[in-house]
Amino acid sequence: AQSVTQPDIHITVSEGASLELRCNYSYGATPYLFWYVQSPGQGLQLLLKYFSGDTLVQGIKGFEAEFKRSQSSFNLRKPSVHWSDAAEYFCVLNGGSQGNLIFGKGTKLSVKP
Amino acid sequence: KAGVTQTPRYLIKTRGQQVTLSCSPISGHRSVSWYQQTPGQGLQFLFEYFSETQRNKGNFPGRFSGRQFSNSRSEMNVSTLELGDSALYLCASSLEGQRDGELFFGEGSRLTVL
Repeated sequence: AQSVTQPDIHITVSEGASLELRCNYSYGATPYLFWYVQSPGQGLQLLLKYFSGDTLVQGIKGFEAEFKRSQSSFNLRKPSVHWSDAAEYFCVLNGGSQGNLIFGKGTKLSVKP
Repeated sequence: KAGVTQTPRYLIKTRGQQVTLSCSPISGHRSVSWYQQTPGQGLQFLFEYFSETQRNKGNFPGRFSGRQFSNSRSEMNVSTLELGDSALYLCASSLEGQRDGELFFGEGSRLTVL
């Protein structure tokens, strides 16, 4: 069955430190993968997407993600975190049986000053 | 360009009542999807409408229904409310649908059922 796993429920990093959020997926074919961010009290915003081609994709706000088929992973990275990056991050797979998106449970990011 | 607008933002209902939530998509977007977000279950797909037709439906009981109008605005209705229906209901619009994954979300309607 198609699924998305985000192993880390909550991560705290210091401002200026690097960030990596983990995401693993289960899907029988080549997946379409996305990362969305939800700031407190807000809707979700697309950070980046992977359809095919280059396995390193660049997104908005300085984020990037790397698709690794051998590890069934699509980890999100940022070299230097800003306090405004504090939010919840969702890894998403386009692979639902109803043609819908499948969301991971999310990773909440806290940023220490 | 205006974003996705959801109304009302907050509402409180009691068990057994019904509720209607509204979503106005980005101008030109023909697809509207609805998701339920709860702390325990995360984001779960309710249904998707495209050009006034329900394209897909998630695994929710028949108490959850929706529709889309000719101007692409969408409503969802929940009848006979239960405590477990308390959630943030998110609407998302896109040009061609969920398959390309680029959804634009509204801020949600937070429903509390007492």
